Amino acid sequence: DTEVTQTPKHLVMGMTNKKSLKCEQHMGHRAMYWYKQKAKKPPELMFVYSYEKLSINESVPSRFSPECPNSSLLNLHLHALQPEDSALYLCASSHDRLGNEQFFGPGTRLTVL
Amino acid sequence: GDSVTQMEGPVTLSEEAFLTINCTYTATGYPSLFWYVQYPGEGLQLLLKATKADDKGSNKGFEATYRKETTSFHLEKGSVQVSDSAVYFCALTRNTGGFKTIFGAGTRLFVKA
Repeated sequence: DTEVTQTPKHLVMGMTNKKSLKCEQHMGHRAMYWYKQKAKKPPELMFVYSYEKLSINESVPSRFSPECPNSSLLNLHLHALQPEDSALYLCASSHDRLGNEQFFGPGTRLTVL
Repeated sequence: GDSVTQMEGPVTLSEEAFLTINCTYTATGYPSLFWYVQYPGEGLQLLLKATKADDKGSNKGFEATYRKETTSFHLEKGSVQVSDSAVYFCALTRNTGGFKTIFGAGTRLFVKA
């Protein structure tokens, strides 16, 4: 299995809602990543988990809360988002954090109303 | 700080034309370099990579050589197809002096039949 899966594919939420994005990989990778991608822009790194521990938080607002329950799963909990948070959220994984290529999921298209 | 600069698009070519997309970088230490491709509505896919100076990455007819003296990693293909139409991202990852992964702005390629 060489795939990273993400659910849901699309999500529409209000500014007072709480929702979660999910990401899963079964490649035995020990590094997992969340990116945010606005339209016609490159992905921007948000968080990195290495061996299930949060190792990098790129000054992301606290309304985004990551969680890594085990080595295969990565969640992103969303609360009190703003319309400007609407974007494609991409999950990726790599063998480890040491400069290896990242395998990306298809993304969750998030719209905040 | 670290950065990746790509040629601005869009690039429009006829089928079977030669493709070059320029990419230059600045980075601390010795980064790994990557080209990713993103088709409409999808996540990113690794196209090729190079991990040290003078390495040549190649895949599906695409090539790029890691040139430390010119800090470049230009993408080339000898004969493009309509199916190559996509957005191409140059990226670097380094893990010395702290982890960094940075994407260029992306270059959109249109190939006409």
